[in-house]
Amino acid sequence: SQQGEEDPQALSIQEGENATMNCSYKTSINNLQWYRQNSGRGLVHLILIRSNEREKHSGRLRVTLDTSKKSSSLLITASRAADTASYFCATQSRTGGGNKLTFGTGTQLKVEL
Amino acid sequence: DGGITQSPKYLFRKEGQNVTLSCEQNLNHDAMYWYRQDPGQGLRLIYYSQIVNDFQKGDIAEGYSVSREKKESFPLTVTSAQKNPTAFYLCASTRAWGNTEAFFGQGTRLTVV
Repeated sequence: SQQGEEDPQALSIQEGENATMNCSYKTSINNLQWYRQNSGRGLVHLILIRSNEREKHSGRLRVTLDTSKKSSSLLITASRAADTASYFCATQSRTGGGNKLTFGTGTQLKVEL
Repeated sequence: DGGITQSPKYLFRKEGQNVTLSCEQNLNHDAMYWYRQDPGQGLRLIYYSQIVNDFQKGDIAEGYSVSREKKESFPLTVTSAQKNPTAFYLCASTRAWGNTEAFFGQGTRLTVV
């Protein structure tokens, strides 16, 4: 089963608007990460937030983490057409042999001109 | 340039055949992962390896096999026991410990003909 569930599954906005995506997960984690995937390509890492952090910024990205609710959100401000992609959250947890990285179901973002 | 390379980019398999997907990294990462992605879906973990000569099953290991004889290489074999192998396969690597981002290959699209 997948660790993360993302909401919404799809999001369509106009250029310049903000886009917010949410992620919920099930078990305890070391950190939560967000990735971007352009159609038919590999994933690219965007931002990592540790389990003891509550908010993190990187350029136009803002990520929050609420470990009590087992949820995270990704905010993309002032969106651009080039932001059109799928966005995935991933949780990293410690297993007996090291780190395990588990992905959510993803949000498809479309930014229209 | 450091990175992770998957080959081939496209692969066609006849019913009943085994095929092997290649994944090589020169990032000196200890941990490597294989994921399967179906159209419009998230990533599901097939196998992962934290160290040479050791690997663990992920959520959907049935019909797949892996080996980890070298740190740089983590090939995935899709066996004839995998009933629905047509999918996009992604390989990733990370450091084994600590808060660490994943680096992805560009993927292999496998189609059963």
